[in-house]
Amino acid sequence: DGGITQSPKYLFRKEGQNVTLSCEQNLNHDAMYWYRQDPGQGLRLIYYSQIVNDFQKGDIAEGYSVSREKKESFPLTVTSAQKNPTAFYLCASRRTGPSGANVLTFGAGSRLTVL
Amino acid sequence: RKEVEQDPGPFNVPEGATVAFNCTYSNSASQSFFWYRQDCRKEPKLLMSVYSSGNEDGRFTAQLNRASQYISLLIRDSKLSDSATYLCVVNAYSGAGSYQLTFGKGTKLSVIP
Repeated sequence: DGGITQSPKYLFRKEGQNVTLSCEQNLNHDAMYWYRQDPGQGLRLIYYSQIVNDFQKGDIAEGYSVSREKKESFPLTVTSAQKNPTAFYLCASRRTGPSGANVLTFGAGSRLTVL
Repeated sequence: RKEVEQDPGPFNVPEGATVAFNCTYSNSASQSFFWYRQDCRKEPKLLMSVYSSGNEDGRFTAQLNRASQYISLLIRDSKLSDSATYLCVVNAYSGAGSYQLTFGKGTKLSVIP
């Protein structure tokens, strides 16, 4: 079955460490997204990529970095510069084009806790 | 004014009740609209798209009012399994072939036995 796989599901990190969250999709979707969700808050966009080798900052990109070397993969690195990284991270993808163009499909999420 | 606003709730309703949520949006150029459902500590999942003429999927009915810039979700005959947070999502063209999706913070529904 097609879908989006995020790993790890849970991650604990010490302050000052960088961590990378994996996101892989086999839906053949062009666009991929990273969101952050804090308790009681809506989803906030960190980075997005419309096509391979291109990505754009979202609303809260500071302290994060991404790459899009393959269509299927969009890893997110949470750097030590991110001051409050404890959150639920969601990766999503969607097709582009006129049919079903804007429906987002989400991965199961990665829950990061900084100790 | 926030871009997409929802009443956070919680809405506590008995089984079998009918409940309705509204969502208002500020961008008049918004083009497409969705309701997502999010269970506790899980990812959001698409519940239904919202079409201009309104649409129904079983016990769920979605409506769009472009003039007043709001969408609604009606749930009839509530089930315990409907307990979740319902996210309103609005999509608007942001130029250069890109669309921007904006999420509301969600409305929490608890269906009580």
